[in-house]
Amino acid sequence: EIVLTQSPATLSLSPGERATLSCRASQTIFSYLAWYQQLPGRAPRLLIYDASNRATGIPARFSGSGSGTDFTLTISDLEPEDFAVYYCQQRLSWPITFGQGTRLEIK
Amino acid sequence: VQLVESGGGLVQPGGSLRLSCVASGFTFHTYAMGWVRQPPGTGLEWVSAISASGDNTFYAESVKGRFTISRDSSKNTLYLQMTSLTVADTAVYYCARTLDNMYYFGHWGQGALVTVSS
Repeated sequence: EIVLTQSPATLSLSPGERATLSCRASQTIFSYLAWYQQLPGRAPRLLIYDASNRATGIPARFSGSGSGTDFTLTISDLEPEDFAVYYCQQRLSWPITFGQGTRLEIK
Repeated sequence: VQLVESGGGLVQPGGSLRLSCVASGFTFHTYAMGWVRQPPGTGLEWVSAISASGDNTFYAESVKGRFTISRDSSKNTLYLQMTSLTVADTAVYYCARTLDNMYYFGHWGQGALVTVSS
């Protein structure tokens, strides 16, 4: 099973700042990584797939990078609605696995 | 795209439950589908997936042998039959559609709460 480790567990920032979230895989997953955003009480929303492709309707301030084992989600110029929990997910091999999440909170 | 789950509820340990997910707004039989769960206050856990044709099914180790995923294209409905339920299966269960048949989840239902308790 491929283990995804996200860091930090919690990130405290202010609106307008840049957020950098990390996801590390226990073995190479090439570019088969997605990022999701989950607001409280809501279903997750797909942000990025295949490491760097924005899903339909996702604002340009969300960007993804990385390949192999190290991946980054960057949110530039944070908006109030961006404060949420973010998960990464790999699809290279079964079982599909998610990271444990990073909580982005308002400082 | 709309996914509407039903069938959640309270069940005793050892009991069974079947979740349903009615899909609309897309051609159901052309997309692989999946279930993802989220125990209270914790993160996401993939549970199961099924190919567009229904010929291939996949399960997390934690539910293998106890849960069965299936689909009925005539009803545009995805199912998750859950048996031998334990407290550890308590979670919100989300039905999700894959992204262009890549096993990412581009669309999600609102979730169905399953509570296993005596």
